[in-house]
Amino acid sequence: DTGVSQNPRHKITKRGQNVTFRCDPISEHNRLYWYRQTLGQGPEFLTYFQNEAQLEKSRLLSDRFSAERPKGSFSTLEIQRTEQGDSAMYLCASRPAPDTQYFGPGTRLTVL
Amino acid sequence: QKEVEQNSGPLSVPEGAIASLNCTYSDRGSQSFFWYRQYSGKSPELIMFIYSNGDKEDGRFTAQLNKASQYVSLLIRDSQPSDSATYLCAVNEQAGTALIFGKGTTLSVSS
Repeated sequence: DTGVSQNPRHKITKRGQNVTFRCDPISEHNRLYWYRQTLGQGPEFLTYFQNEAQLEKSRLLSDRFSAERPKGSFSTLEIQRTEQGDSAMYLCASRPAPDTQYFGPGTRLTVL
Repeated sequence: QKEVEQNSGPLSVPEGAIASLNCTYSDRGSQSFFWYRQYSGKSPELIMFIYSNGDKEDGRFTAQLNKASQYVSLLIRDSQPSDSATYLCAVNEQAGTALIFGKGTTLSVSS
């Protein structure tokens, strides 16, 4: 257990619906990362935060995706108008030391 | 485009043998190198990181880095069935920035 929690662990939704995921990093970690992983692939970077500031966004993060980290604590990732191609494991990572990232358990999204 | 390449496997080794996992990366500016283990249906678990050329040992695991050849490897000594998993290689250009992952190599250790 890395101390990073994610909710929900599983989400099944219908195409076109909006979904929101939450990540709670270890409290003193100022950097928080979101990745997406599809079957047979490694995790792909989506975005990361330094405290409440979103420092970098991948081109994978289309206009339908938005991430926030109010007050520099927990973070949310919202996907609007979900598509079947959004089905994946969404991973949150926290940084306990200058150059390591520890992942939470992930949220598995299935879009029907 | 920055890429990390790994053989997908599966790599099959008998229990007690040494498993050797390899990774190459395209960006010469990469500074830090990581190995994660991922069991089926679970999230990646960090097992080792290395910054400098040479070897770094941690228990049964040894990471090897050759920046001139843009090559990273992971050796697992005395392989156990519980080591059966997918091993992901990751790199980043600067401390604290996004990790770039390979697709992973599946290791199967038979008893």
